[in-house]
Amino acid sequence: DVKVTQSSRYLVKRTGEKVFLECVQDMDHENMFWYRQDPGLGLRLIYFSYDVKMKEKGDIPEGYSVSREKKERFSLILESASTNQTSMYLCASRSLAGGTDTQYFGPGTRLTVL
Amino acid sequence: AQSVTQPDIHITVSEGASLELRCNYSYGATPYLFWYVQSPGQGLQLLLKYFSGDTLVQGIKGFEAEFKRSQSSFNLRKPSVHWSDAAEYFCAADTGGFKTIFGAGTRLFVKA
Repeated sequence: DVKVTQSSRYLVKRTGEKVFLECVQDMDHENMFWYRQDPGLGLRLIYFSYDVKMKEKGDIPEGYSVSREKKERFSLILESASTNQTSMYLCASRSLAGGTDTQYFGPGTRLTVL
Repeated sequence: AQSVTQPDIHITVSEGASLELRCNYSYGATPYLFWYVQSPGQGLQLLLKYFSGDTLVQGIKGFEAEFKRSQSSFNLRKPSVHWSDAAEYFCAADTGGFKTIFGAGTRLFVKA
């Protein structure tokens, strides 16, 4: 069974802390994604990666960075967490560049920044 | 601008009743279209997808969706809803690049 796992289901951090969210996939997919999910806004793409060490900004990259040192792992970093980054964060992976291939999602990390 | 619209924020149906969730898209050309379901505390799971060909697409869990080019719609249907179908449903569109555009979601409530 295909699997995307995220390091934490729930996380509580304080304003100004550096936060790491980790995602691991076991499907040997080239492409990995970080989304943010907020009520009434659906999913918005933060960053994606199409290969090891390669990354591209999505629609809302401000305040975030990413790292992909190994094919199976994609990390989202909040350099200095702020309260407006309180949200659900979803990681996904897919094999092809886009279009016909299915995205597989992790269970999500619900981050609260106090 | 490209967009996906789900007009209904939430819908309540009785168990055993039929269901239709609406989705409209705005793209220059017909995109690839998807429906995902998110159960409480879970990630998104693909229900079905449309690329070309037959406009009626069958998915998992007894769901189907119909693509209507003239209406720019891709509505999700199920003939008889079960209590376990209570979840949030997302319509999404993709033109073959890296970016998938998601609708805001429709939360389905099922009453006994």
